[in-house]
Amino acid sequence: DAGVIQSPRHEVTEMGQEVTLRCKPISGHNSLFWYRQTMMRGLELLIYFNNNVPIDDSGMPEDRFSAKMPNASFSTLKIQPSEPRDSAVYFCASSPMVAGWYGYTFGSGTRLTVV
Amino acid sequence: DQQVKQNSPSLSVQEGRISILNCDYTNSMFDYFLWYKKYPAEGPTFLISISSIKDKNEDGRFTVFLNKSAKHLSLHIVPSQPGDSAVYFCAASGENSGYALNFGKGTSLLVTP
Repeated sequence: DAGVIQSPRHEVTEMGQEVTLRCKPISGHNSLFWYRQTMMRGLELLIYFNNNVPIDDSGMPEDRFSAKMPNASFSTLKIQPSEPRDSAVYFCASSPMVAGWYGYTFGSGTRLTVV
Repeated sequence: DQQVKQNSPSLSVQEGRISILNCDYTNSMFDYFLWYKKYPAEGPTFLISISSIKDKNEDGRFTVFLNKSAKHLSLHIVPSQPGDSAVYFCAASGENSGYALNFGKGTSLLVTP
């Protein structure tokens, strides 16, 4: 298995532009998670899906952030409009179930820089 | 509010010695705890876990200890090796979080030869 695949690996964009991050989870995993890593807050959970349905988006910082999972093999995280404070590494993870004891498999992340 | 806290941003240890990474949590509903390891430019990878019904779990050079009354867990690495240099994240899971993992800010471990 190729693992969790994220694209792009790096994204540099100007403030105000729309940014779309993509994720392909491991086949057969029913739960998908979006995390953001910053120095100040560490790894914070933004949103997670179970069976393609958003379960908890309370971690999404603002209405500028939105996430979708149109099918079991693809998810997007969109920021519109982007701001410099959105600069961070964004990770996608997948798991057979939501429960943490199954362990999450993380992608390599997308490093976003908003200038 | 941060429910999983790693109060030491960094730790430096000599090769061969013991590394002890600490983690505190505030939510008494957490019942499963994990440690993840992260190298630069890679995603976090699972290292070791412990259920709240245990107070110790060992896997080779890695041991996790859980003190439920103190809401504290620690990761011991013995002996430490230069390849252990990475960022270590503590994570917790419980019913009131929908069982999704809550992570701490991480501790950067440097093992020097």
